[in-house]
Amino acid sequence: KQEVTQIPAALSVPEGENLVLNCSFTDSAIYNLQWFRQDPGKGLTSLLLIQSSQREQTSGRLNASLDKSSGRSTLYIAASQPGDSATYLCAVPKGAGNMLTFGGGTRLMVKP
Amino acid sequence: DAMVIQNPRYQVTQFGKPVTLSCSQTLNHNVMYWYQQKSSQAPKLLFHYYDKDFNNEADTPDNFQSRRPNTSFCFLDIRSPGLGDAAMYLCATSRDSGLILGSYNEQFFGPGTRLTVL
Repeated sequence: KQEVTQIPAALSVPEGENLVLNCSFTDSAIYNLQWFRQDPGKGLTSLLLIQSSQREQTSGRLNASLDKSSGRSTLYIAASQPGDSATYLCAVPKGAGNMLTFGGGTRLMVKP
Repeated sequence: DAMVIQNPRYQVTQFGKPVTLSCSQTLNHNVMYWYQQKSSQAPKLLFHYYDKDFNNEADTPDNFQSRRPNTSFCFLDIRSPGLGDAAMYLCATSRDSGLILGSYNEQFFGPGTRLTVL
C-alpha cells in the first residue's frame, strides 16, 4: 500500500527566503508525482506534474524534483512571498491508474 | 476558460436528509473523481468514473453513491448524511487515453463543496 508523507507539517518563514518542502513515498514504482496548492477553504490548484522519466520540473519560482529510487520529491520555492502562504500537497497515482494518494500536506506561512 | 465547476459551494443539510452535490466540467475529460477532505486532512478518494465505468474505492461507505449522466456532469449522492460526513467534497477530472500503461495527465480540481450536517 502506497503511503505518502510530507515533512514538515507546518512551516513559517520570513518573506524572501528560499525554502524546500519534502515529500516521500513508500512504493517507488510510480508513474509520476503531482504537487498541489490549497488555500484555506478552497479546492486544489495543480502546480507541477513530474513524469517518472523526468528529474525535475520548473514553473516560475517553483522547482520540483523527483528521485524515484529513494522515494522522494522536493518542492523548492524561491524568494518566498506572503501570497505563497497556503497548504502544499504532493500526490502519486495508485498503481497504474489515475487515482491519487495524497500526503498530509505542508502548511506554509510566509510572513511579510 | 475550461474549468471544473462545483455547485453549490456550501451545502447545509440535516442529519439523515439526502443531499446531492454537483460537478461539471468543460475540459471534455473522460475521467472524473470525487474526493472527501475532512478538516486538516488530505483528500481521500471516494470513487471515480472512467468514461461510463464506475469504480468504487473499497472503503467508501455504501451511503455514498455517484451518477454520471454524460461526459460533462457527475453527481455525488449522500443517502443519509451523518455528522461524520461533514467535510469538503472535491471533484476532479483528468484525461486518460488508456493507450499507454501509466499514461497519466494532470488532475484538475474544482473549488469544492463544503458540506455541513446539522
